[in-house]
Amino acid sequence: LAKTTQPISMDSYEGQEVNITCSHNNIATNDYITWYQQFPSQGPRFIIQGYKTKVTNEVASLFIPADRKSSTLSLPRVSLSDTAVYYCLVGGPPGSARQLTFGSGTQLTVLP
Amino acid sequence: SQTIHQWPATLVQPVGSPLSLECTVEGTSNPNLYWYRQAAGRGLQLLFYSVGIGQISSEVPQNLSASRPQDRQFILSSKKLLLSDSGFYLCAWRGAPYNEQFFGPGTRLTVL
Repeated sequence: LAKTTQPISMDSYEGQEVNITCSHNNIATNDYITWYQQFPSQGPRFIIQGYKTKVTNEVASLFIPADRKSSTLSLPRVSLSDTAVYYCLVGGPPGSARQLTFGSGTQLTVLP
Repeated sequence: SQTIHQWPATLVQPVGSPLSLECTVEGTSNPNLYWYRQAAGRGLQLLFYSVGIGQISSEVPQNLSASRPQDRQFILSSKKLLLSDSGFYLCAWRGAPYNEQFFGPGTRLTVL
């Protein structure tokens, strides 16, 4: 399994753009990169998934460089409600049954 | 729409007692099902996953077991609980096109 490394914590202010980077140096050719968000005492919630270049949806963007050894989750104009733990996972592909082990994630704290 | 249920929501059990946590999914058929455990302040650890009735894959050796008696039912069990079994247990499902997991509300287990 490709191991991921993320910062343990990050602080930001409301209205700012937040970028969380994840390193995955030994990512395999058929691995996808997926990000989840988790609030206390809740299950994680899917944010975004990508394979290469850039993916954007209504809540976030995911930037993946050509070598795919890292990825960056970008949250535009964060609010207090974006305070949560964000997990980067590498594996898949989407059709595979075996799911991934979540690391410790990045605790994002949005300040007023 | 799909819904995932877990019960009970909270549970306090003495060491050595048995355990049975249930997870059911509605609104989908033949899902992949997963059990995770999350210790306080930690990431999620994959315990078991299942691709069909009676098919269980174990990720971590432990005193827990899982069963899938029906297509949309996943059960986590133990004959004798240990203190280290305390944690937040999450059930998840994944269906076509298999690009994300959907998590249940979780069960908070405290073993005393």
